[in-house]
Order: sequence, then C-alpha cells, then structure tokens
Amino acid sequence: QKEVEQDPGPLSVPEGAIVSLNCTYSNSAFQYFMWYRQYSRKGPELLMYTYSSGNKEDGRFTAQVDKSSKYISLFIRDSQPSDSATYLCAMSGRSGGYQKVTFGIGTKLQVIP
Amino acid sequence: DAMVIQNPRYQVTQFGKPVTLSCSQTLNHNVMYWYQQKSSQAPKLLFHYYDKDFNNEADTPDNFQSRRPNTSFCFLDIRSPGLGDAAMYLCATSRVRETGNQPQHFGDGTRLSIL
Repeated sequence: QKEVEQDPGPLSVPEGAIVSLNCTYSNSAFQYFMWYRQYSRKGPELLMYTYSSGNKEDGRFTAQVDKSSKYISLFIRDSQPSDSATYLCAMSGRSGGYQKVTFGIGTKLQVIP
Repeated sequence: DAMVIQNPRYQVTQFGKPVTLSCSQTLNHNVMYWYQQKSSQAPKLLFHYYDKDFNNEADTPDNFQSRRPNTSFCFLDIRSPGLGDAAMYLCATSRVRETGNQPQHFGDGTRLSIL
C-alpha cells in the first residue's frame, strides 16, 4: 500500500462547478498537508498549506483535513478553465527539523468552458 | 519577486554525455531539493541539502551528483545520462526550523531529453 493514494483522473467538469479533489494516507505521523497545482510543463505551485485537522479557506479554494479518517480534500468553487491543471497533494511528518515530503501522484483536472 | 529559478528550461544531451542543471533561489531558504518527475508520476526526491549537509536518497543512482557552492545555488550533475533519465528535473527550496517545516517552493523545472 502506498503511503499516499490519489486518483489520477482525469476529472472533467463544466465551468462554474464545485470540484472536489481527495487524497488518503496511511502514515498517522503526517501533520503538515499541502496542495500544489501543476500546469503542463511547469513546476508545482503551492496552493494551500495546513497543519493538523480542520478547514482552511483561501478565495475559491478550501482545504480540509480529517486526521481521524486519514483523508484530505481540496474544494474549488466556481471552477474556471484556468483551473485546468494537475493537483498534487503532499504531506510530511512531525514538527522540528527536516522531514521528507510525500507526494500523491496528482489528479488531472479539466474545466470545460 | 523572490523565487526559485532553474536553467535551462529545456536541455538536450546525447546518451552518455555529462550534463549539469542549475538552480538558484532568492528566498534565502536553508534547504534545497532535487526531484525527478516523469510523465503522470509524483515527483521523486533524489537528494537534498540541509545547509551544507548533503543527504542522498537510498535509491538515487550513483550517476546523479549534486553540488551546493553557496546558499543561493545548487547544481545537479548527471555523469552518464541514459535513456531512462529523460524527465523533468525540479528544484525546490524550503525553510526548516526547529519549530517545524515550511512548505517547499518549486522552480519551473528543466525538461531533459536524451538522444
């Protein structure tokens, strides 16, 4: 079993739809959770960074962490064609010192005008 | 804007011909990373520098080496590239403190092709 599981998609939605992207994980030591957006032929761009359980909102994006279920989500409201990209979840362990980040495989999202 | 810059964006080399990829950062972060990313795959960590300390992943081939001459620059050297080394190479940086990790920030990558 991989430490981080993420459905690669592709996921196609109409413009304006609410998008839900998800990852599950098996390592209970993970405490930091991130979502990156990666456009074709570009590097990953940090979208959201959360610590422990709960919700965090930034504009049209909401990140949700449920540590009891080992499940994280990214919601995109009012999706736009410019949101078409691959979304990578990432997570790392305890605070203090260096911790390796584990990435999901990424979900490819297409928002259709 | 503070950022992570990778050069070149595209690199073509011949099978077995050494190649060097470069990364610079203006974020003054203490950790720099090199990742390999193949199509539709997660980034794979090759190694990282924590300040001047080099940390190699156990499964990184000996063909891959790295240098960090100062805080701002880091290089990836591939001594004898094989066809399987064709990939996107991503540089990332982060600030690691005793109080916890900060997220990694990536450059736009160098896409390496092998002829």
